[in-house]
Amino acid sequence: DTAVSQTPKYLVTQMGNDKSIKCEQNLGHDTMYWYKQDSKKFLKIMFSYNNKELIINETVPNRFSPKSPDKAHLNLHINSLELGDSAVYFCASSQPIPFHTDTQYFGPGTRLTVL
Amino acid sequence: DQQVKQNSPSLSVQEGRISILNCDYTNSMFDYFLWYKKYPAEGPTFLISISSIKDKNEDGRFTVFLNKSAKHLSLHIVPSQPGDSAVYFCAASGGATNKLIFGTGTLLAVQP
Repeated sequence: DTAVSQTPKYLVTQMGNDKSIKCEQNLGHDTMYWYKQDSKKFLKIMFSYNNKELIINETVPNRFSPKSPDKAHLNLHINSLELGDSAVYFCASSQPIPFHTDTQYFGPGTRLTVL
Repeated sequence: DQQVKQNSPSLSVQEGRISILNCDYTNSMFDYFLWYKKYPAEGPTFLISISSIKDKNEDGRFTVFLNKSAKHLSLHIVPSQPGDSAVYFCAASGGATNKLIFGTGTLLAVQP
């Protein structure tokens, strides 16, 4: 009964490849997020979707494209992978903004290694 | 430009004693603050939060204090237990979106 799940947990790939990370939440939340934790352990938001609509895009390269087929899923596609994309990517979800609880629930993370 | 700062990268405490983790922020628009706990190879887990209209929130062994004039918050854990050993992240949000700004984390080690 995992609340926020991500697949895969580990992803090792070559530079230049295209890859996807999937995220699903069963909390009934309308808002989902993608965060990146780099080698210095900074956790930074990349995207946020509310009910399938993009609401935050933090100047992420357009090689990164989030896709939300429904409000329970937010997948992250990365094209032309670069060495600097190596990081841990976390998906999160929260209650709708009008409630303003701001409490986000995180998935277990996907460790991406680009060789 | 680090808007949320945790200046202590690590903290070591004896079991049963109090752990105090500190966090400073610079953006006066922040109105909601959270603490997350993270174990290795897992995602951050929500611990406790506080709204800017309060100066204290308590949940069991965990208490968060907010000093808005100093732009400072702290997390107190008492008594500390070995299972509390983890990285603790402070986070803040404010404005129209739920964007969380995280600190760099403090590694807490509770010694038996």
